[in-house]
Amino acid sequence: DADVTQTPRNRITKTGKRIMLECSQTKGHDRMYWYRQDPGLGLQLIYYSFDVKDINKGEISDGYSVSRQAQAKFSLSLESAIPNQTALYFCATSDLEGLQFFGPGTRLTVL
Amino acid sequence: AQSVSQHNHHVILSEAASLELGCNYSYGGTVNLFWYVQYPGQHLQLLLKYFSGDPLVKGIKGFEAEFIKSKFSFNLRKPSVQWSDTAEYFCAVNPDSWGKLQFGAGTQVVVTP
Repeated sequence: DADVTQTPRNRITKTGKRIMLECSQTKGHDRMYWYRQDPGLGLQLIYYSFDVKDINKGEISDGYSVSRQAQAKFSLSLESAIPNQTALYFCATSDLEGLQFFGPGTRLTVL
Repeated sequence: AQSVSQHNHHVILSEAASLELGCNYSYGGTVNLFWYVQYPGQHLQLLLKYFSGDPLVKGIKGFEAEFIKSKFSFNLRKPSVQWSDTAEYFCAVNPDSWGKLQFGAGTQVVVTP
């Protein structure tokens, strides 16, 4: 079984819609992250959380929000999706050494 | 601005050729360094990591990387690539020991039969 899971794996939506991407982990890590991947830009950090009560903005948080419902769950929301949010989104967890474990990704297309 | 730079965006080579991918970073102090690989359609997987000790690090699938502190570099190498090494490779740096990674833009490697 995968340690980090993401749902949905693919989503097509329209401009202005609210979208939630979910991430669950069974690794028991306190630290969780959301990244987006765009061709030629690598991975950019959207939000991160070091424990259930801790939420921090990353490099590109505008237009996104997150919720850390439990140690194992970290959700990413797009309140009003726009086409330039079309990307591949990855959730990750990390241990205390900073070693990160990634989920399978969610491919989001905003029309 | 502090950053992670990967020298090549695309590399095409034949099977059995040697591969070297460059990575430089601009953070001072102690850093943790990583190379991740993303095979087509898959998520990122760890190839190798450097935290301390021997600057020559061996990873999975025959990859190795050398940390050169004076050059702020962490280059990835493989002596003889295979078609299955076709993937995108990302260098990443943990500059503050808090688990946040800064990624390079990635290098797309295509290995032809």
